[in-house]
Amino acid sequence: GEDVEQSLFLSVREGDSSVINCTYTDSSSTYLYWYKQEPGAGLQLLTYIFSNMDMKQDQRLTVLLNKKDKHLSLRIADTQTGDSAIYFCAESMNQKVTFGTGTKLQVIP
Amino acid sequence: ETGVTQTPRHLVMGMTNKKSLKCEQHLGHNAMYWYKQSAKKPLELMFVYNFKEQTENNSVPSRFSPECPNSSHLFLHLHTLQPEDSALYLCASSQEEGPNRPLHFGNGTRLTVT
Repeated sequence: GEDVEQSLFLSVREGDSSVINCTYTDSSSTYLYWYKQEPGAGLQLLTYIFSNMDMKQDQRLTVLLNKKDKHLSLRIADTQTGDSAIYFCAESMNQKVTFGTGTKLQVIP
Repeated sequence: ETGVTQTPRHLVMGMTNKKSLKCEQHLGHNAMYWYKQSAKKPLELMFVYNFKEQTENNSVPSRFSPECPNSSHLFLHLHTLQPEDSALYLCASSQEEGPNRPLHFGNGTRLTVT
């Protein structure tokens, strides 16, 4: 079955880069997503990558996909206090989306 | 209004009460979803509706009863809940067609069962 794993917590200093990692099990995944959840809010789509791509960059965000190792990462450059949130990795196959447990990012001023 | 709107934001109910959660989307999407978010657990998909038809029921207990009267509205009717049902209930919508279906979420209803 599908399984998506993430570490639960990451702490970085303001201005540093953050790297959030995710592993997944379903090699048939077509799209992989990163969502952000701020306190008291729902999940907000940050970015996504198609499974035939290795990298996608969108302003401060860089997504790297290693399909062989089934490893996905999200790099946030110049991390700001407003980036403090829970980040969810998700994989999509057909109509089903499977989420990880989320990584709580704490940004220290 | 834009996006996905959920009401109420917070709900406290006793185990014998009956209540309903409401979700409305203004994105022109054809698929709507209910998810349950509990602490330190992955999001749990509960129900999926495509064009008002239920296409997935992820072994959800019958004390949760969904209703989708049209593609823009989704309800979750609750009755005789248990304390372990306390969680954040998230509604989402997406386009039905195509392999890339990013989900658009509402802000959720924080449910507490006493």
